[in-house]
Formats: sequence, C-alpha cells, structure tokens
Amino acid sequence: NAGVTQTPKFQVLKTGQSMTLQCAQDMNHEYMSWYRQDPGMGLRLIHYSVGAGITDQGEVPNGYNVSRSTTEDFPLRLLSAAPSQTSVYFCASSRIDPPEAFFGQGTRLTVV
Amino acid sequence: LAKTTQPISMDSYEGQEVNITCSHNNIATNDYITWYQQFPSQGPRFIIQGYKTKVTNEVASLFIPADRKSSTLSLPRVSLSDTAVYYCLVGGFYNQGGKLIFGQGTELSVKP
Repeated sequence: NAGVTQTPKFQVLKTGQSMTLQCAQDMNHEYMSWYRQDPGMGLRLIHYSVGAGITDQGEVPNGYNVSRSTTEDFPLRLLSAAPSQTSVYFCASSRIDPPEAFFGQGTRLTVV
Repeated sequence: LAKTTQPISMDSYEGQEVNITCSHNNIATNDYITWYQQFPSQGPRFIIQGYKTKVTNEVASLFIPADRKSSTLSLPRVSLSDTAVYYCLVGGFYNQGGKLIFGQGTELSVKP
C-alpha cells in the first residue's frame, strides 16, 4: 500500500552540484507531476508527464530536467543546484477520471 | 485553465462551522471542482470533489450553485487538527493537457 514514494526525504547540496530526486508510484497512474513549495507559498508545477516517454514543462521548469521511461518512475534532475532551488519538492501521481492527485511525503532540499 | 480565487487566510474557533468559498467564473462544462488539504510538512491530500449540487463525505461538504461559478467547502465543527491550507482546484486532466495547477490556497487557523 505504498502509493507515492519519494527519496530522499532530506538533502543538502552545494551550489553547482547536481542530483536526482526519485519518485515512484504503484497505482499504475499515467499522470505524474513535480511541484516545489517555498515557505508560506502554494505549490508550483515544475514538470509533468502524461505517460511513459511524454513530459512537458509546468510553471517553473528552468534548472530542472525530467524523463519518464516507465509508468512507475518519474525522476527530477537538478542540473546545477542554486540557492534559489532551496525548497520542498513534492511528487504527485494522478488518476484521470475523475481527477485526483496522490502526493508523496516530499523532499526537503537545501542548497548552500 | 479555469482560474480560482479564494481567501488567503481564515481564523476560526474549535467547534465552529467553517465555510471557505472559491470563485471560478470561467469554469468549463466538464470541469470538476476538487478540494485538497495540506498540513505543514506534508503533501496535499484530496478531501472532496463535486461536479454540481452538493456532495458530502465524512470529512466535509461541498456546495455548488447551479451556475457553478463558485463553490463552498464546509467543515463542520472544526478542531485544532483542521488547521491546514485548503486548495480549490477546477478542471479535469483531459481539458488541462495533464496539468494540475494549485493556487495560493486558504490558510485556516483553528484556535482553542
């Protein structure tokens, strides 16, 4: 009964480093998304995918890459970390009809 | 995408009924209205969804007038544990190209 699993839960990076945030779902959903949430703010969509091999940009895609080689996994890559990317990152997996999103527990990322 | 407007914050006391209204003037014919709840340091979770009229579940009620240009989330007899941010979303994945956009949400603070 895992749902959406994100790893790691916490991460500290130095400016310029790269890393991949992992997201996996076991609900066989086609739709998956990545969001970032800054303190006191709502969620902003980074990238999303409507199926394996299909991804698209959201509201704030700069500095991030995604790929979707399987239905289950949707990793988010930070290419060269910057302090402005310090945030909490949430992955979501979504049922289509009716629409309902299931979220992971989040990854708290600090870039120093 | 249908734009939503909801109050930034609300205060209440334990045992009171709380009503949070969301405006969505350009809602499309086949759009759903969905509310999510987010506790600090957690991902949002689905609480209720409707298309028209009234929907009730064990957590909340959702009132939707005939013109569907607004909706009201009703939380009966709130407790301290209902302190959270509540998001109103309008749409469905098919007519949004897979995007699920969250606004600022309403920060509900329940006091003893």
